[in-house]
Parts: sequence; C-alpha cells; structure tokens
Amino acid sequence: GAVVSQHPSWVICKSGTSVKIECRSLDFQATTMFWYRQFPKQSLMLMATSNEGSKATYEQGVEKDKFLINHASLTLSTLTVTSAHPEDSSFYICSARDVRDSPSYEQYFGPGTRLTVT
Amino acid sequence: AQSVTQPDIHITVSEGASLELRCNYSYGATPYLFWYVQSPGQGLQLLLKYFSGDTLVQGIKGFEAEFKRSQSSFNLRKPSVHWSDAAEYFCAVALLKAAGNKLTFGGGTRVLVKP
Repeated sequence: GAVVSQHPSWVICKSGTSVKIECRSLDFQATTMFWYRQFPKQSLMLMATSNEGSKATYEQGVEKDKFLINHASLTLSTLTVTSAHPEDSSFYICSARDVRDSPSYEQYFGPGTRLTVT
Repeated sequence: AQSVTQPDIHITVSEGASLELRCNYSYGATPYLFWYVQSPGQGLQLLLKYFSGDTLVQGIKGFEAEFKRSQSSFNLRKPSVHWSDAAEYFCAVALLKAAGNKLTFGGGTRVLVKP
C-alpha cells in the first residue's frame, strides 16, 4: 500500500517550453502533497506544499510563477515548470500524506522525475 | 531554526561488516524522526521512523535506529551489510503540525559497499 507514482519519469525539453509533471497517490487519498527538488549528490529541497482544493504554499526563494502547482483532486498534484531553462534541470520528487495517517507525519515518496532542459 | 546534520558524507564498508550512520538534529522539542534510503535515480524508501515510545526502532532490511534525547541523535545501524545496501541514506525530521507537516532532510550519507 501507500504507492505514489510520477509521470513522466524522465523528460527532455527545449529552453523556453513548459513541462508538466504528475504526481499520483495510487491507493490512498492525499490532501497534502509535497514537491521537492534534488540536485546531483545533494539532499532534497522542499519547493512547495500542495493542498487539495487550495493554493500551494511555496518555500522561500521558490518562484511560484515559474513552478505552478495544481492539486485538483485527492489523488493528483501537478507541477508545471514554465518557460524552462537549463538551470531548471534537476530531479523532481513528490511525496504525499495519507489522510488516514494521524498524527503520523510520514510522507510516501514517488520515484522522481528527471528533467533536462536543453 | 531546526536543522538536521549527517556528519558523514561518504562511508565505505566491507560486505558483512557493521554499519552506523549518524544523524543529529537541532530542535526545541522531540521531533518525529525518519530514515530514508535512495538508490541511484530513484525516489525515497522509508526504512524506519520514531514518534514515541521505545527508543530503539526496528525497520526494514535489517536496519535499526536508536533515539537518544540527551544527544539529539537518531543513528542508524545495521549489523551486517549486504552489497545491495549501497545507496544514499537520508535522515529527516518532521516539523510541528502547525508548520504544515514538513520534513527537513539531512545532507545525506552515501554508503559504498566493498566486496
């Protein structure tokens, strides 16, 4: 149980285009999902917290107009990298909390999406 | 501000030997603590977690961790390492609920296993 998927797992796009990454909780409902960014050989950096039916909360220094997050349902959150540039190339990982887990703070992680901007 | 420190960036261990990964946190209250493992190009898998109770926690794949409040530590151990344990390990701390259930990650420790 508690499986999170991401699509695509790997994407290459040209500079200036936009890319959408999907994060789905497959066997549970998630009112809260998180988006992380990971540079090579580095730790995870939280970008934003996505709450179903409301606006995402972005971490300091993360451009919300650049990284658009939509959490339209209890099982799906999307991250759109708009007008992507090579410096946006990174490994993006999402995670989700099961609504039934309380007071657990556990997050279930997706397999990640590698974005390369050329 | 709270922080999580993993002092060892790399650790090399022989197969069959014991492994200990260090994790220290700076936090006002007892946090919720986690250890995750990440294989190359993959997401994170939870090894174990501590919320309360017995300070020695058993996890998957033969790992265990001990919470020591006096030392603000949550070190991960495995008695006998297998080649498949080569990966990146992250310690994480959960913030208070009011802060949105966010996790703060340590910098990670890369484990290399020698045959």
